[in-house]
Amino acid sequence: DVVMTQSPLSLPVTLGQPASISCRSSQSLVHSNGNTYLSWFQQRPGQSPRRLIYQVSNRDSGVPDRFSGSGSGTDFTLKISRVEAEDVGVYYCLQGSHWPPLTFGGGTKVEIK
Amino acid sequence: EVHLVESGGGLVQPGGSLRLSCAASGFTLSDRYMDWVRQAPGKGLEWVGRTKNKANSYTTEYAASVKGRFTISRDDSENSLYLQMNSLKTEDTAVYFCAGDISGGSWGGYWGQGTLVTVSS
Repeated sequence: DVVMTQSPLSLPVTLGQPASISCRSSQSLVHSNGNTYLSWFQQRPGQSPRRLIYQVSNRDSGVPDRFSGSGSGTDFTLKISRVEAEDVGVYYCLQGSHWPPLTFGGGTKVEIK
Repeated sequence: EVHLVESGGGLVQPGGSLRLSCAASGFTLSDRYMDWVRQAPGKGLEWVGRTKNKANSYTTEYAASVKGRFTISRDDSENSLYLQMNSLKTEDTAVYFCAGDISGGSWGGYWGQGTLVTVSS
């Protein structure tokens, strides 16, 4: 199974400042079809998860452009250019290139300093 | 607009069974891969299983932790997805989410509100 490792576990940020979350996979996430199925999800307190990014860098509809995804192979990053209060929550990466099983990272908790 | 609404959660004793339902609207279920994901209290997300679409013969796959105990099915005429859970264990206690192709392309990443399953004597 592909292991997804996120860091940091907790990320205190100042409003208006940037934030960055890392996600590393135990093997390359390049699928045999050439695509890389790495997604990012946001889960606000008390809510269902919401997908922000699919296939490394594509923003889902309605996602603010302050969220961006990048990376390749085994190394991926979610960046928030300027953190807002509504960005508080837990962020998860997910790989879908080599399944079953689909595997999530352990989560990164973003909080305001 | 895509909506997913789960139901059927509740309290069940270890060894018991429960069937969760997920009513889908805003899209044609038979066209889509669908996932079940769970979240134990205070923990992260865990993929439970997936059913592929009609074009891929509705093939199902499961996490090792539930294989042989859980079964995903669907009723495309009702636009509904199901998760039959048998031989439940205390470690199956979680909120269960129905989701639409969470790892796919531009269509996907949709989640329901979740339904709580508590396995306890």
